Amino acid sequence: EPEVTQTPSHQVTQMGQEVILRCVPISNHLYFYWYRQILGQKVEFLVSFYNNEISEKSEIFDDQFSVERPDGSNFTLKIRSTKLEDSAMYFCASSEEQIQYFGAGTRLSVL
Amino acid sequence: QQQVKQSPQSLIVQKGGISIINCAYENTAFDYFPWYQQFPGKGPALLIAIRPDVSEKKEGRFTISFNKSAKQFSLHIMDSQPGDSATYFCAAQRPGTYKYIFGTGTRLKVLA
Repeated sequence: EPEVTQTPSHQVTQMGQEVILRCVPISNHLYFYWYRQILGQKVEFLVSFYNNEISEKSEIFDDQFSVERPDGSNFTLKIRSTKLEDSAMYFCASSEEQIQYFGAGTRLSVL
Repeated sequence: QQQVKQSPQSLIVQKGGISIINCAYENTAFDYFPWYQQFPGKGPALLIAIRPDVSEKKEGRFTISFNKSAKQFSLHIMDSQPGDSATYFCAAQRPGTYKYIFGTGTRLKVLA
């Protein structure tokens, strides 16, 4: 069964450093998403991406965040200068239409 | 208006019992309501979903009940099994938008 793949599973970084979280969406999907889940809290929408551009973003997704689809298979989330409060589980998702399929997540720990 | 409120926060059920998780929303524009199941260390996986033109949807042991006038929907897990122990999230989506608004999650434990 096709699945969304995320790497790495755990990323540890120092505050102020740049991180790139990587995702390989399901191959025939056209819509891509990033969500985050702070420990013990709900899953929150960050951004959606379609046709090589951001289609929607939340207030969390400020200038420190960016997304890119550098080739035909990868979808990345970059955080330019990480803060302690960026520590969370980051989930990538993709969809063909309405149903979103989630990856297993990348746990980001900012020290 | 964009919130989805979920209860209870945690639930313990005996094997074979019925697990019931409730969600409430305010925005009547929401038109798609999925439930996701998340096991530790895994991403959320779609369990079942409903649209507001239907009052109930059943898939195996999982049933969504939808009350449009009350703006509430609930997940019922019949004959709960230890393998159902997971965190369950309800969500809602408006037409013309891509994002899901998730509830706060319910941690279900089914005792053997």
